Amino acid sequence: EPEVTQTPSHQVTQMGQEVILRCVPISNHLYFYWYRQILGQKVEFLVSFYNNEISEKSEIFDDQFSVERPDGSNFTLKIRSTKLEDSAMYFCASRADTTDTQYFGPGTRLTVL
Amino acid sequence: LAKTTQPISMDSYEGQEVNITCSHNNIATNDYITWYQQFPSQGPRFIIQGYKTKVTNEVASLFIPADRKSSTLSLPRVSLSDTAVYYCLVGALYGGSQGNLIFGKGTKLSVKP
Repeated sequence: EPEVTQTPSHQVTQMGQEVILRCVPISNHLYFYWYRQILGQKVEFLVSFYNNEISEKSEIFDDQFSVERPDGSNFTLKIRSTKLEDSAMYFCASRADTTDTQYFGPGTRLTVL
Repeated sequence: LAKTTQPISMDSYEGQEVNITCSHNNIATNDYITWYQQFPSQGPRFIIQGYKTKVTNEVASLFIPADRKSSTLSLPRVSLSDTAVYYCLVGALYGGSQGNLIFGKGTKLSVKP
């Protein structure tokens, strides 16, 4: 069964550093999403992406965040200057255009020191 | 988006049927009810979706009364591996580029031997 993959599984970085989280959505999906989950809290929507542009973003997704689909398979989330409060699990999700079911990846645990 | 209310936690024993009820008094006419499951340190996983009456798949059943102001996720004969957080989401199906999911705190189900 096709699945969303994410790399790395765990990323440790120093405050102020840039990080890029990578995702490979399911191949025939057209809609892509990033969510995050701070430890012990609920899953929060960050951004949705369709047709090579952001279609919606939350208040969390400020100027420090950016997304990109650099090629036909990868979908990346970049945090330019990480803060301690960016420590969280980051989940990528994708869906086809014929359903609203989103398929989530296993997540990347980001730890900012 | 309709607000949902569900119990924070539930306990059960292996082999029992578990019913998790979600209240969504302000559900709109075009809203669907969707349940996701999340295991620790994993991304949410779609379980079931419905609009009215009853929906059943290989994993669960979803009961929706005529007024649609609540819904009940039913897990038959749970096992230890069903220990997870279960999220009830209410929203319209999107044919366009949006469709971001808004998660609540969910119900933490603990299955004991």
